[in-house]
Amino acid sequence: DAKTTQPPSMDCAEGRAANLPCNHSTISGNEYVYWYRQIHSQGPQYIIHGLKNNETNEMASLIITEDRKSSTLILPHATLRDTAVYYCIVRVPISNFGNEKLTFGTGTRLTIIP
Amino acid sequence: SAVISQKPSRDICQRGTSLTIQCQVDSQVTMMFWYRQQPGQSLTLIATANQGSEATYESGFVIDKFPISRPNLTFSTLTVSNMSPEDSSIYLCSVDYRGRALRTDTQYFGPGTRLTVL
Repeated sequence: DAKTTQPPSMDCAEGRAANLPCNHSTISGNEYVYWYRQIHSQGPQYIIHGLKNNETNEMASLIITEDRKSSTLILPHATLRDTAVYYCIVRVPISNFGNEKLTFGTGTRLTIIP
Repeated sequence: SAVISQKPSRDICQRGTSLTIQCQVDSQVTMMFWYRQQPGQSLTLIATANQGSEATYESGFVIDKFPISRPNLTFSTLTVSNMSPEDSSIYLCSVDYRGRALRTDTQYFGPGTRLTVL
C-alpha cells in the first residue's frame, strides 16, 4: 500500500486560502489520490480526487505534482466550518472487480482562526 | 452522491451483550465497507461486504466477533458481539458509488454509530 505523509496540524486565517500538503512518494501509476475530511465525530466527507491532472470542484482544488509524489489540497476561502481533520489517501486495488479500499492515516487537523 | 443512513446513531450497552448496526443506502451498490474509529484515532477498516458472498475481514478482525450480513444491494448489518469496553468506538459504513459526474468509484460514508460499552 502506498503511504501518505501529512503534517499533524495546521492553522489558517478565516477568508484565506488553506493549503494542505501530502506526500505519497511510493504511489503507483494507476493509483488515485483522494481527499476526505472529518468534522468532529461525523462520517468522513469526500472532497476531491485525481490521478495526475489538477482538479477543481465546488469545494476545493487539488494540485498533483508532475512526478505524482506529492499533492496539495487548496480550500480557496477558508471558513470556520472548514475546521476538520483532512485525510489524504492513495486508493489501492483489492480485487479484480476494481473496487478499492481506503487506508486512512492520521490526517491533518486544520483549524480556521477567526 | 450516495446517501447513507445508519441505525442506531448511538447506543450505550452492557458488557457481554451484542449490538446490530444497520446501514441503508439510497442506491444499489456492489461493495459496502465497515470501519471502526476508536476514540482519538483514525478509521480502521473492519471488513468489505459484497452482496451475495461472504464478507472479507481485515487482519485483526474475525467473523465471530463482527458478523456481517449483506442481504441485498442497498442494506447491510454489522453485529458487535460479546462486547467489552474496548469495543467502545464509532462504527461507520461506507459504499463505493460512481455518480454521473465522476470517472471512478468514490467512497461515501454514513454518519456513524457511536457505541459505548459499560
